[in-house]
Amino acid sequence: AQTVTQSQPEMSVQEAETVTLSCTYDTSESNYYLFWYKQPPSRQMILVIRQEAYKQQNATENRFSVNFQKAAKSFSLKISDSQLGDTAMYFCAFMTDQGAQKLVFGQGTRLTINP
Amino acid sequence: DSGVTQTPKHLITATGQRVTLRCSPRSGDLSVYWYQQSLDQGLQFLIQYYNGEERAKGNILERFSAQQFPDLHSELNLSSLELGDSALYFCASSVGWGHEQYFGPGTRLTVT
Repeated sequence: AQTVTQSQPEMSVQEAETVTLSCTYDTSESNYYLFWYKQPPSRQMILVIRQEAYKQQNATENRFSVNFQKAAKSFSLKISDSQLGDTAMYFCAFMTDQGAQKLVFGQGTRLTINP
Repeated sequence: DSGVTQTPKHLITATGQRVTLRCSPRSGDLSVYWYQQSLDQGLQFLIQYYNGEERAKGNILERFSAQQFPDLHSELNLSSLELGDSALYFCASSVGWGHEQYFGPGTRLTVT
């Protein structure tokens, strides 16, 4: 079974700084999808970014980018020029390319952006 | 706004009761997923439907059941409720295989 591990339960940075959230996963499959979701205090789950394992190029969405290291099974999220609105729980998630199309989530990292 | 709607937003009920949570997917999405978020178990996949048919099951209790209707909305039925069933229940939808899942706002269930 696939597992996702986020080793940083909490992080805190100043506004405008860059922060990197870590995620590792375990799978024997060669193709799969990886995601970062954000859950602000409103509890809404918001998709931040998506990466397909067969693509070498790291995904980027505005201030959010990932560092995908397939051999190391690592998928970190970098937030540049952090803003107060980035304060949230961040979940890394894995989805297989075959079988059940379920998301397997990590335990989450609570990120606080301080003014 | 993800385009996925869930009702009700909050539900408070007593142990032993039965409740129904409702979800409407984004327009055009055929897949619906249910997830449970609790403090001790984190975010867990319960069940997936695709175009009216059950596609995958996760750690869903026998007391729980779900279905997807011809208009693609889905309902999650929770019966013989226990205190431990208190959680945030999310519905998500996607257009199909390998695509990202968009989440609804969730239903917060409190069992007293």
